Amino acid sequence: DIQMTQSPPSLSASLGDKVTITCQASQNINKYIAWYQQKPGKAPRQLIRYTSTLVSGTPSRFSGSGSGRDYSFSISNVESEDIASYYCLQYDNLPPTFGGGTKLELK
Amino acid sequence: AVQLVESGGGLVQPGKSLKLSCSASGFTFSSYGMHWIRQAPGKGLDWVAYISSSSGTVYADAVKERFTISRDNAKNTLYLQLNSLKSEDTAIYYCASPPRGYWGQGVMVTVSS
Repeated sequence: DIQMTQSPPSLSASLGDKVTITCQASQNINKYIAWYQQKPGKAPRQLIRYTSTLVSGTPSRFSGSGSGRDYSFSISNVESEDIASYYCLQYDNLPPTFGGGTKLELK
Repeated sequence: AVQLVESGGGLVQPGKSLKLSCSASGFTFSSYGMHWIRQAPGKGLDWVAYISSSSGTVYADAVKERFTISRDNAKNTLYLQLNSLKSEDTAIYYCASPPRGYWGQGVMVTVSS
């Protein structure tokens, strides 16, 4: 199975900050990475697929980049509604595997 | 719009069984592989099982030989049979197609005496 190492596990930001989360795969995943947002009591919501493609309805302050084994996800101008946990997911190989998650909190 | 609606969760004693269902609509269910993903309280997302459009299956080691994923394309329904349940199976179970961003609302399974 491909391991996804996500960092940091938690992040504290002020409104308007830019934050970045990274995921490193244990092998090349050919850009098949998605990023999810999850709020308490809710199902995960896909924000980005195939490294950098924003899903319909995802605000443009969210972005993704990367290749090979190394990928990043950023939120520019953090808003209060962005307070949530974020997960990366590789879907290049079965089984799909998730990163450990990043909890974004307000400073 | 795509909808996935899980049912069948609840409180069950260790060693007992439970069957989860997931009713799908808004997409051609029979054409897609489907997954069950679970999330233990306060923890991250863990993949459980996968079934292809042609009903080939793959399982996580933690559930292999205890859980069975199946599908009924005529009913647009995905299933997960959970046998020999353990306390560590306590989680919210999601029916999903994660690469496409399709997720149900989740159903809680609590294994406790």
